[in-house]
Amino acid sequence: DQQVKQNSPSLSVQEGRISILNCDYTNSMFDYFLWYKKYPAEGPTFLISISSIKDKNEDGRFTVFLNKSAKHLSLHIVPSQPGDSAVYFCAANTGRRALTFGSGTRLQVQP
Amino acid sequence: DAGVTQSPTHLIKTRGQHVTLRCSPISGHKSVSWYQQVLGQGPQFIFQYYEKEERGRGNFPDRFSARQFPNYSSELNVNALLLGDSALYLCASTSRENTEAFFGQGTRLTVV
Repeated sequence: DQQVKQNSPSLSVQEGRISILNCDYTNSMFDYFLWYKKYPAEGPTFLISISSIKDKNEDGRFTVFLNKSAKHLSLHIVPSQPGDSAVYFCAANTGRRALTFGSGTRLQVQP
Repeated sequence: DAGVTQSPTHLIKTRGQHVTLRCSPISGHKSVSWYQQVLGQGPQFIFQYYEKEERGRGNFPDRFSARQFPNYSSELNVNALLLGDSALYLCASTSRENTEAFFGQGTRLTVV
């Protein structure tokens, strides 16, 4: 039973445009959501997070939106840069417990 | 400050053997978690330790075990290795104050 789903395995965007990565979850007990970025042969790197009491969090070019009623979150990257090309994982947890990850979306930013 | 460090970075083992993977958390972090990532999937939770006590265990067989030492470093042990244990094993540390987990570069285990 996949509690965190990333239904798009890949996404390609042009440099300078917006990248939107989507994530759905089923467990209503999740209270914290995170996005990680992963390059080949490296561990995941933390990008941005959001608590379930908020609906938006922004950090530079990265913004995460949370829609609790739809159990949906998204990561917006504006403007996209070639260095953003990586696999992006959505993750969630409850009360500082272990993270549950989605299967990832491979983002390719074309110069 | 050093990040999360894992050793070794790569390892090749034969079916039936035993393996020990090591992890040192970020200085000041008392919680360590282990994850397994197979190709095409997201990391799957194996164990979580806080202050040397097991706080959580994922859906993995008893061949997998772990422990945390007084200096908060951790070991993951896998007995009777199977081909399906081939994966990237990730260690993450978390501070008391924050929820974000910070990952090491992982250990790539290949079982032949």
